[in-house]
Amino acid sequence: GDSVTQMEGPVTLSEEAFLTINCTYTATGYPSLFWYVQYPGEGLQLLLKATKADDKGSNKGFEATYRKETTSFHLEKGSVQVSDSAVYFCALRNNAGNMLTFGGGTRLMVKP
Amino acid sequence: DTGVSQDPRHKITKRGQNVTFRCDPISEHNRLYWYRQTLGQGPEFLTYFQNEAQLEKSRLLSDRFSAERPKGSFSTLEIQRTEQGDSAMYLCASSLVSGEGTQYFGPGTRLLVL
Repeated sequence: GDSVTQMEGPVTLSEEAFLTINCTYTATGYPSLFWYVQYPGEGLQLLLKATKADDKGSNKGFEATYRKETTSFHLEKGSVQVSDSAVYFCALRNNAGNMLTFGGGTRLMVKP
Repeated sequence: DTGVSQDPRHKITKRGQNVTFRCDPISEHNRLYWYRQTLGQGPEFLTYFQNEAQLEKSRLLSDRFSAERPKGSFSTLEIQRTEQGDSAMYLCASSLVSGEGTQYFGPGTRLLVL
């Protein structure tokens, strides 16, 4: 079945550091890929998405590129802020179905 | 657009009791999903509706769980004879059928079974 694997956290960075959170997936066909973010005490929010190979999703300075050859969708940001501290979830939606399959989440802590 | 809402936000119950949660999707969205998230894990799919029809159920959804969406608008998720293992965050999401079908999540209902 479909699965998503994320790097385990927590990831602790200083403000303005470069961020990478790795995400790889296993799926049949050509899934759509998503990053969701969960801030403390809040629900899941869509951060960015990509629906086909080589697409780049971007939002709020975050980027991720859909790499079919490596089945990856790594999240990057050039300069993190304290306000980026949250849990980040990578997810896929297989075109044969409608549900999302999530990774286990990666907690990011940014220190001033 | 008021977003997806869920009620209650928190529920504490004793083992063996029944509980019911409600989800109100974004008004024009015809798909509605339920997920469960345990502490430190990613959400897991439970079931989804298109309008009032329940189209798919996960094997995680035991016989004690039932979900309805009677008029194709709000949905309820009932857990009968709750067990301590049911303690989790129950998330609702909604989407359109057309287009990319991006799912938008509500704030969740946190259930604690004592």
